[in-house]
Amino acid sequence: DAKTTQPPSMDCAEGRAANLPCNHSTISGNEYVYWYRQIHSQGPQYIIHGLKNNETNEMASLIITEDRKSSTLILPHATLRDTAVYYCIVSYSYNTDKLIFGTGTRLQVFP
Amino acid sequence: DAGVTQSPTHLIKTRGQQVTLRCSPKSGHDTVSWYQQALGQGPQFIFQYYEEEERQRGNFPDRFSGHQFPNYSSELNVNALLLGDSALYLCASGRRTQYFGPGTRLLVL
Repeated sequence: DAKTTQPPSMDCAEGRAANLPCNHSTISGNEYVYWYRQIHSQGPQYIIHGLKNNETNEMASLIITEDRKSSTLILPHATLRDTAVYYCIVSYSYNTDKLIFGTGTRLQVFP
Repeated sequence: DAGVTQSPTHLIKTRGQQVTLRCSPKSGHDTVSWYQQALGQGPQFIFQYYEEEERQRGNFPDRFSGHQFPNYSSELNVNALLLGDSALYLCASGRRTQYFGPGTRLLVL
């Protein structure tokens, strides 16, 4: 079973920041938080991952709470092309580990 | 730099048949994982190959088997196809961060 809980759906206006929450209250000390997204019928796309520090790349920012029990993925300026299902996954990164996907959050960006 | 590639993109089979799906990992990646995604659900882990051996396996029957070649490419074989095997089959490569291919959509009639 997935170790994360996400809202099933969210809406966001184009140009605004999209903040996608994820709860992972049973995360262990050496598990990372990964975010992927899947645009309709395509393969999942890696977005970002982190252990305990906040992370930023060209796609998004990841904010992890100090107790590591929850995190937020931030898309700073959402576009229509960001409409997708977003998956939050906890996984060991020091060794290859299977990814356990939940049902994700369906983000709809509207004009 | 080519990403993960999969073939074929679409496939139609009938119940009882066998199917082989193929995956070429991202350049420099030696680990390949396979996932099954049924309609409306998240991907489910099937198995993972590293150094030509199956290293991890999810909760899938023995009808699902695989192989990894010396060039790190991989095949997924499914025997005695059932209607419930209809799904998007995804290949991912990479050890720490996994990168997914576009998938093969299998329809079993």
